[in-house]
Amino acid sequence: GAGVSQSPSNKVTEKGKDVELRCDPISGHTALYWYRQSLGQGLEFLIYFQGNSAPDKSGLPSDRFSAERTGGSVSTLTIQRTQQEDSAVYLCASSLARGRQRGGGTNTGELFFGEGSRLTVL
Amino acid sequence: AQSVTQPDIHITVSEGASLELRCNYSYGATPYLFWYVQSPGQGLQLLLKYFSGDTLVQGIKGFEAEFKRSQSSFNLRKPSVHWSDAAEYFCAVAPLRGYNKLIFGAGTRLAVHP
Repeated sequence: GAGVSQSPSNKVTEKGKDVELRCDPISGHTALYWYRQSLGQGLEFLIYFQGNSAPDKSGLPSDRFSAERTGGSVSTLTIQRTQQEDSAVYLCASSLARGRQRGGGTNTGELFFGEGSRLTVL
Repeated sequence: AQSVTQPDIHITVSEGASLELRCNYSYGATPYLFWYVQSPGQGLQLLLKYFSGDTLVQGIKGFEAEFKRSQSSFNLRKPSVHWSDAAEYFCAVAPLRGYNKLIFGAGTRLAVHP
């Protein structure tokens, strides 16, 4: 597809179960981001991947949260032992790297967001 | 600490009226600035961005924003609102160096009366 694809679009789980959320970025985008959108909390940064560099995990709220990006493309966000406060919409975004591009010009690294995965923990 | 403030949680305007959504930021240096829109059930879409140069930035859907360094503001404007503009609007900042690690405001929900 042309845009960022996320699955599942909706997930309902029981407290204590593990969940996996998937993100398929735009082809050719080297950067991938996960954000969480909670009621009353706004959008918060979770993790950032860029190529083969070590990810920036500074936004992960606890060690129950982890993410990986296989082959520099698809990413999976895993939440272990889910809690009710994990209920939120998890947004994935991808972008080209910011900076000068081959052939001239500068890329501003605009983020393109998916429609999100809504997680409800009962 | 770096932060973005959108003082208005909810705004209602009549169709055809002008619109201004406020955004103030607190940052160590002038950051990159963005406005995103989120329509019901859809992902975030970039309306416009400021990186450098002219402080009045034009975006999609007839929106514009003005960067005012002295006020640390980046307010979004539209001269005439359409019913389809009803959505949630987010202001965001990113550091000049590194990557677009966006810090978002809490959002302003816009309702449009016919």
